[in-house]
Amino acid sequence: ETGVTQTPRHLVMGMTNKKSLKCEQHLGHNAMYWYKQSAKKPLELMFVYNFKEQTENNSVPSRFSPECPNSSHLFLHLHTLQPEDSALYLCASSPGQGLGGYTFGSGTRLTVV
Amino acid sequence: AQTVTQSQPEMSVQEAETVTLSCTYDTSESDYYLFWYKQPPSRQMILVIRQEAYKQQNATENRFSVNFQKAAKSFSLKISDSQLGDAAMYFCAFTFNAGGTSYGKLTFGQGTILTVHP
Repeated sequence: ETGVTQTPRHLVMGMTNKKSLKCEQHLGHNAMYWYKQSAKKPLELMFVYNFKEQTENNSVPSRFSPECPNSSHLFLHLHTLQPEDSALYLCASSPGQGLGGYTFGSGTRLTVV
Repeated sequence: AQTVTQSQPEMSVQEAETVTLSCTYDTSESDYYLFWYKQPPSRQMILVIRQEAYKQQNATENRFSVNFQKAAKSFSLKISDSQLGDAAMYFCAFTFNAGGTSYGKLTFGQGTILTVHP
């Protein structure tokens, strides 16, 4: 049990589909993050939520829509994606003070066809 | 803006030998933290070791130790007595205490793939 659970583990979707990625943590953390990991590129921070409020959107296209209904759950809603959006999407949580303690999930491998 | 650079896309080491992974960073912040994460094929990012910038002493965790050179903005990871299970992608990462509503985000380097030969 990693503490941060992501589902699904793999996802293949067409460019016209709508799907959602789910992240769940029961660590009592207050901050949650979405990262995109593409081949041969550094991890890219997409969104940050602190106490359910979005505190950062790192110029992410609107076809990615995050939702944080509570401090334990984070979603990433996907619609009309492009093939270049294919990547590993990692969720992480932290106590929130930037003092370490980040815990990552195992990611969702997304393929857009 | 903060940047983290890992100049070694790939490294290899013989089992039981020692290997050093390099990382440099750039920041104007004074209160920051540096990390090394390991990402095995299972894909989960696992914290290996962490260093607080205000601490002069290099962090160590069993076979893992760092060489933190603050003036040079260098943060290398040394793995001693390498084991087959050490094979993974290793990421150097940085965060700083910004306070307010923007804190806790990590900036990652490009990663180094470590291969361990039996």
